[in-house]
Amino acid sequence: QKEVEQNSGPLSVPEGAIASLNCTYSDRGSQSFFWYRQYSGKSPELIMSIYSNGDKEDGRFTAQLNKASQYVSLLIRDSQPSDSATYLCAVLGGSGSARQLTFGSGTQLTVLP
Amino acid sequence: DVKVTQSSRYLVKRTGEKVFLECVQDMDHENMFWYRQDPGLGLRLIYFSYDVKMKEKGDIPEGYSVSREKKERFSLILESASTNQTSMYLCASSNGGTDTQYFGPGTRLTVL
Repeated sequence: QKEVEQNSGPLSVPEGAIASLNCTYSDRGSQSFFWYRQYSGKSPELIMSIYSNGDKEDGRFTAQLNKASQYVSLLIRDSQPSDSATYLCAVLGGSGSARQLTFGSGTQLTVLP
Repeated sequence: DVKVTQSSRYLVKRTGEKVFLECVQDMDHENMFWYRQDPGLGLRLIYFSYDVKMKEKGDIPEGYSVSREKKERFSLILESASTNQTSMYLCASSNGGTDTQYFGPGTRLTVL
């Protein structure tokens, strides 16, 4: 059973702070990693994808991947109230046409003005 | 921009009814997926399809079936709806190259 675990939250940070979201996964063969943001009542939207070890930056967002530790994280710098949402970690496993994402249960982030 | 649309945002059905949820994508993606999302349980994969007329079971296929007659359209069918199928249903699509999944707006189904 492939598992993706996220820090349970909820997580609250003050506006302007760094929010750190963490995710571990059980399948060592996992190939690709994604962070989605989901506002209440809406569907998930992709923030970042990461495929190789190290950091990947996109604006205020940085994804970090460590395959040896089976760990992926998302840092949000200069957090804004509009970042308040649930963040979903998703891990791609399987092979060929059977590749599919396994999602964590999400971390709810609140950015306090 | 990728666009994934779902036939209804909200749906109320009665126990035992047959329910059809439709999903259409406009980006010529090979892969399409149906998930349900419940509080505390996250997103769970029901079925997916990697080609027309092809389907694969996900983690929770019981009580559901799917149909993919055209590349752009993927339907989820509840043969006999039950109250435990009350949930948010999300459709997604991806192409084989990046595996990035794009989601539709979701259908909130209530079974009474």
